Amino acid sequence: QAQLQESGPGLVKPSQTLSLTCTVSGDSISSGSFYLNWIRQPAGKGLEWIGRIHASGRTGYDPSLKSRVTISLDTSKNQVSLRLNSVTAADTAMYYCARDPMVAGYLDIWGKGTPVTVSS
Amino acid sequence: DIVMTQSPDSLAVSLGERATINCKSSQSVLDSSDNKHRLTWYQQKPGQPPKLLIYWASTRASGVPDRFSGSGSGTDFTLTISSLQAEDVAVYYCQQYRPTPMYTFGQGTKLELK
Repeated sequence: QAQLQESGPGLVKPSQTLSLTCTVSGDSISSGSFYLNWIRQPAGKGLEWIGRIHASGRTGYDPSLKSRVTISLDTSKNQVSLRLNSVTAADTAMYYCARDPMVAGYLDIWGKGTPVTVSS
Repeated sequence: DIVMTQSPDSLAVSLGERATINCKSSQSVLDSSDNKHRLTWYQQKPGQPPKLLIYWASTRASGVPDRFSGSGSGTDFTLTISSLQAEDVAVYYCQQYRPTPMYTFGQGTKLELK
């Protein structure tokens, strides 16, 4: 069973770039058998999809965040990265990575999440 | 934009009773390429990530108790818990998938014990 683990700085200053990593264990990103997604959830609020990437490098982003988001992968480390630039307090949230098994349309495995606070 | 609307926002049900949560999509979630409804239900308990419950509208994920069931078609879907257990207290989310803009979640329904 694959496992996902998010990591990164818990505190980011406004206007700076948020950078997070999702490390996959128990499966290989290079297999091409799934998409890895980033989802966020402000405290006490709902879930917001950010974007996804496939081993081929093919990406997709939520239109409302597309101008600020880059998702990339490092197959040698079995990791996927999220970069969100020009952050504001509105980007404060728990950030999750989650797997979609080949565009099934559902997210079957989730990491535990990593909290990010945007504050000076 | 596709909007997913859940009802009710919160629900209190007695142990052993039935719980029903509704989800309405502003557009059909039927994927005509394989005739599957790309409608998913998740359960989220405090301090935990969401857990996959039901996918393709009515298929239970591995290990999910059979008291959980999903139904519906087109734009209207329902999650039913046939006999509420204490461990079912959680927030439930529906989610749709389309090629653009991909994944959209409902606002969540908080299920509590009466």
